Amino acid sequence: VQLVQSGAEVKKPGESLKISCKGSGYSFSGYWTVWVRQMPGKGLEWMGSIYPDNSETRYSPSFQGQVTFSADKSISTAYLQWSSLKASDTAMYYCARLSSSPPYCTTTSCPMKNHWFDPWGQGTVVTVSS
Amino acid sequence: QSVVTQPPSASVTPGQRVAISCSGSSSNIGSNIVNWYQQLPGTAPKLLIYANNQRPSGVPDRFSGSKSGTSASLAISGLQSEDEADYYCATWDDGLHGWVFGGGTKVTVL
Repeated sequence: VQLVQSGAEVKKPGESLKISCKGSGYSFSGYWTVWVRQMPGKGLEWMGSIYPDNSETRYSPSFQGQVTFSADKSISTAYLQWSSLKASDTAMYYCARLSSSPPYCTTTSCPMKNHWFDPWGQGTVVTVSS
Repeated sequence: QSVVTQPPSASVTPGQRVAISCSGSSSNIGSNIVNWYQQLPGTAPKLLIYANNQRPSGVPDRFSGSKSGTSASLAISGLQSEDEADYYCATWDDGLHGWVFGGGTKVTVL
């Protein structure tokens, strides 16, 4: 089971960007994928999640309207997209799979709160500078 | 400012034990499982403890987790140089309807 992310990006303010996260070794469409931001020298922030099977999305209020999640289940890939980058978007971005197991998740009840992030992708560095 | 609080740093001599606290409230730690992640320098985070006190396969039993009320704790016993890393707690917050991370604790091996 692994997630492999696309390579580092250097962009100018106002440009658009789409980075990717490809899963392998498991049924990609059947697990939520999450995105996590880590700004330089700072901690981890959950940005939101996407369910590739039907592209259902959940956004953290802090990131709602700032980014867009999408997925192509045919190629087991999730995407994180910006339409107009800002210097403050400079960060490392990680994707991860939402995982769980009994008794926290069963066929009859599997609340999102009873999950953890595992595994993680290697991260994609995004640098936005004029 | 995170809704879940960790001490920013901890310094420990090799072989000693360190405990990292993670303090929250009834809407997060008090009612949900806590997970811990280890981030070695220059690498992606890795799951260390899930569901308060469960170790994934491959994680040494030197690492242990616990939870009581609105606080959780990660303990590392017999500290080794390779344990020098940032450690993050994370949990679901019922009010925010999403995951929250603690600010992270940098463990330094003296």
